[in-house]
Amino acid sequence: AQSVSQHNHHVILSEAASLELGCNYSYGGTVNLFWYVQYPGQHLQLLLKYFSGDPLVKGIKGFEAEFIKSKFSFNLRKPSVQWSDTAEYFCAVNTNTDKLIFGTGTRLQVFP
Amino acid sequence: GAVVSQHPSWVICKSGTSVKIECRSLDFQATTMFWYRQFPKQSLMLMATSNEGSKATYEQGVEKDKFLINHASLTLSTLTVTSAHPEDSSFYICSAREVGGGETQYFGPGTRLLVL
Repeated sequence: AQSVSQHNHHVILSEAASLELGCNYSYGGTVNLFWYVQYPGQHLQLLLKYFSGDPLVKGIKGFEAEFIKSKFSFNLRKPSVQWSDTAEYFCAVNTNTDKLIFGTGTRLQVFP
Repeated sequence: GAVVSQHPSWVICKSGTSVKIECRSLDFQATTMFWYRQFPKQSLMLMATSNEGSKATYEQGVEKDKFLINHASLTLSTLTVTSAHPEDSSFYICSAREVGGGETQYFGPGTRLLVL
């Protein structure tokens, strides 16, 4: 069965630190990959997505992610986090089944 | 653009009653809407896929007679939790996929249901 794993459940950083959140999926075919963010008390918002082409994808708010097919990974990165980045981050995969499969989420806390 | 709303945002009901949750795509048409359930500190679990004008497709383990889904128009899908019990208390989230918009889903703000 297809699955998505996010290794970091809870990440605590100081402002200006660099961020990398891991995401791995298990599926051998073509995938579409997403990162969603859920700010406290708000709904899920799309950060970025990868369908095809350049494996390095840039999203909103300075986030980027790199698709490495050989590693089945789609890690999220940001060079310098801000306090406002405190949120829950979800990696999701869409395959030919029409469904989005979510990872368990990573809670990011950024301290000033 | 691509705004999805849900109503109500929260609801408290007595055990045995039914609750209807609406999901609307406000500025786009959605042939497909999805209903998820999110438990505290857990990820979103897909409950069902709702296609306009046809029956919903339920995920394994989701009771279709308990969670009634209707997708009557390109901008509205409803989820009715019938004969709700305390174990149905959860956060229900819908998403919508735009007609011709590819695979991106846009999410609603969620509805928190508490069954007493």
